[in-house]
Amino acid sequence: LAKTTQPISMDSYEGQEVNITCSHNNIATNDYITWYQQFPSQGPRFIIQGYKTKVTNEVASLFIPADRKSSTLSLPRVSLSDTAVYYCLVGTRGGDKIIFGKGTRLHILP
Amino acid sequence: EPEVTQTPSHQVTQMGQEVILRCVPISNHLYFYWYRQILGQKVEFLVSFYNNEISEKSEIFDDQFSVERPDGSNFTLKIRSTKLEDSAMYFCASLLGRGRYEQYFGPGTRLTVT
Repeated sequence: LAKTTQPISMDSYEGQEVNITCSHNNIATNDYITWYQQFPSQGPRFIIQGYKTKVTNEVASLFIPADRKSSTLSLPRVSLSDTAVYYCLVGTRGGDKIIFGKGTRLHILP
Repeated sequence: EPEVTQTPSHQVTQMGQEVILRCVPISNHLYFYWYRQILGQKVEFLVSFYNNEISEKSEIFDDQFSVERPDGSNFTLKIRSTKLEDSAMYFCASLLGRGRYEQYFGPGTRLTVT
């Protein structure tokens, strides 16, 4: 499994766009990049997954450069309820266990 | 939207007692998992289950742990003789199948061993 590096914590303000970057220098050809979100005392929740370029859904966008050695999760116009831990994961699709790191603790301020 | 459910939400037990944590995965999912999270620490993988057998387990999942899918809908985690260090949030997750990627997590059971 490719190792990932992401900031331990970030602060932002309501209404701002937040970008969380994850490094994964040893990503393999078959690996996908997946982001999960975890609110306090809740289970992790899948946000988005991508392989290359850009993926967008109703929650976030994921930007992946051509070399795929990093990726950026973009949360548009955050609110207080986006305060959570965000996990960047790299691995193959389906069936495999998830190895969670420490994630990025995002704190949204009013 | 279908969801994974877990019961109980909070379980308090004495050291040495057996506990069973219950999960109802999403009905058409084929892969099932248990994870745990000790307070303030990372989410840790315990075990994965597919086709009525364990497909992978971590070092944490020793002989004190077992899993079962007794009736095609429930998925249980049993801890035979609990220890203080078993106190944690236990999350069940399910996955539709190979080629899919998003595991759906339940709300968790907080286990407190006294």
